[in-house]
Amino acid sequence: DIQMTQSPSSLSASVGDRVTITCQASQGIRNYLHWYQQKSGKAPKLLIYDATNLETGVPSRFSGTGSGTDFTFTITSLQPDDVATYYCQQYDNLPYTFGQGTKLEIK
Amino acid sequence: QVQLQESGPGLVKPSETLSLTCSVSGGSISTVHWWTWVRQPPGKGLEWIGEIYRDGSTNYHPSLKSRVTISLDKSKNQFSLQLSSVSAADTAVYFCARKIYSAPYYFDYWGQGTLVTVSS
Repeated sequence: DIQMTQSPSSLSASVGDRVTITCQASQGIRNYLHWYQQKSGKAPKLLIYDATNLETGVPSRFSGTGSGTDFTFTITSLQPDDVATYYCQQYDNLPYTFGQGTKLEIK
Repeated sequence: QVQLQESGPGLVKPSETLSLTCSVSGGSISTVHWWTWVRQPPGKGLEWIGEIYRDGSTNYHPSLKSRVTISLDKSKNQFSLQLSSVSAADTAVYFCARKIYSAPYYFDYWGQGTLVTVSS
């Protein structure tokens, strides 16, 4: 299985801050990586697909970069509504695997 | 708008079989997409369980393959998950989801999730 390692596991930041989450794959996965947002008690929601592409309707303050083994997810100006846990997920190989998640809170 | 809804027992005894159904509305289960199960133990991350295509083709997580069956019921527009010989480690919120047919193969629609507790 491809292991996906996210960091940090939790993060506290102020409204308006720039927030960055990293995701590292245990082997190269090209750009076959998605980012999901999961709010408490809800299902995950797709934000970014293929590492860099913003899903329709998702605010432009969310962005992603990377390919191969190293990926980054960024929120340029943190909003209160962004409180959630964020997961990366690879689809280069079965079984699909997720990172362990990054829990984002507001200071 | 496609909607998915999980249903099934919220409590299962150890060694028994967990059975869940996902009802799909707003679209046909016979379309060109994969139908998927993902689970999340309380307070933990997401784990892909497996998927099924309209022709009955399946893919399963290797660690669960010996215990998992995913099936389709086209007449009811539903798909189902069976997980046998459950233990406390199978306690989780179980989500059904749709995976789009072609690259980039993301999960675009999800059910709300249903908590299944394994306990005697």
